[in-house]
Amino acid sequence: SAVISQKPSRDICQRGTSLTIQCQVDSQVTMMFWYRQQPGQSLTLIATANQGSEATYESGFVIDKFPISRPNLTFSTLTVSNMSPEDSSIYLCSVGENTEAFFGQGTRLTVV
Amino acid sequence: AQSVTQLDSQVPVFEEAPVELRCNYSSSVSVYLFWYVQYPNQGLQLLLKYLSGSTLVKGINGFEAEFNKSQTSFHLRKPSVHISDTAEYFCAVSGRNQFYFGTGTSLTVIP
Repeated sequence: SAVISQKPSRDICQRGTSLTIQCQVDSQVTMMFWYRQQPGQSLTLIATANQGSEATYESGFVIDKFPISRPNLTFSTLTVSNMSPEDSSIYLCSVGENTEAFFGQGTRLTVV
Repeated sequence: AQSVTQLDSQVPVFEEAPVELRCNYSSSVSVYLFWYVQYPNQGLQLLLKYLSGSTLVKGINGFEAEFNKSQTSFHLRKPSVHISDTAEYFCAVSGRNQFYFGTGTSLTVIP
């Protein structure tokens, strides 16, 4: 299993600003995943982050809006840039393979 | 491609009654199926998973699910629910190390 720590757990931000979310895993992992969960909805994969290479973004998500860093095998950051109220969501970090995924507690972001 | 359909967005049920949360999937590759639970203001916790073998899978908190390949279903059941089971439940399928989630079922247990 893996234990994932996300920071911050929640934040309220002004529109037009950026927020960087940190994800720390207690073991080395090849891939880390970032999901968005909009209010009352399911999880949508934003991107997959591999150490030493550019993140792979899903349709509808772009690097300029959601830049991701992956400096080592236990850490990643997701930045939500130039925020608008539509970015208000829970953002979750995840690690795992086909047989199981582990999730952080999430970052609850409110943009005002 | 993989996808998951959860047929019920909200399920109210009285305490100690049985419950079934429905999930259908589509997948072009070998199937790994999961149920996750999300309690209010918390992250996702694995309830159970099907990887292979017996089609009846038992999980935590008294939940179980049955993999039905012919009906492409993976319904979650519990014979007697408790107030503490009130939560959001997500069915998921994995492929290429990515997880695809259904839209979730909100289970509300009524005292």
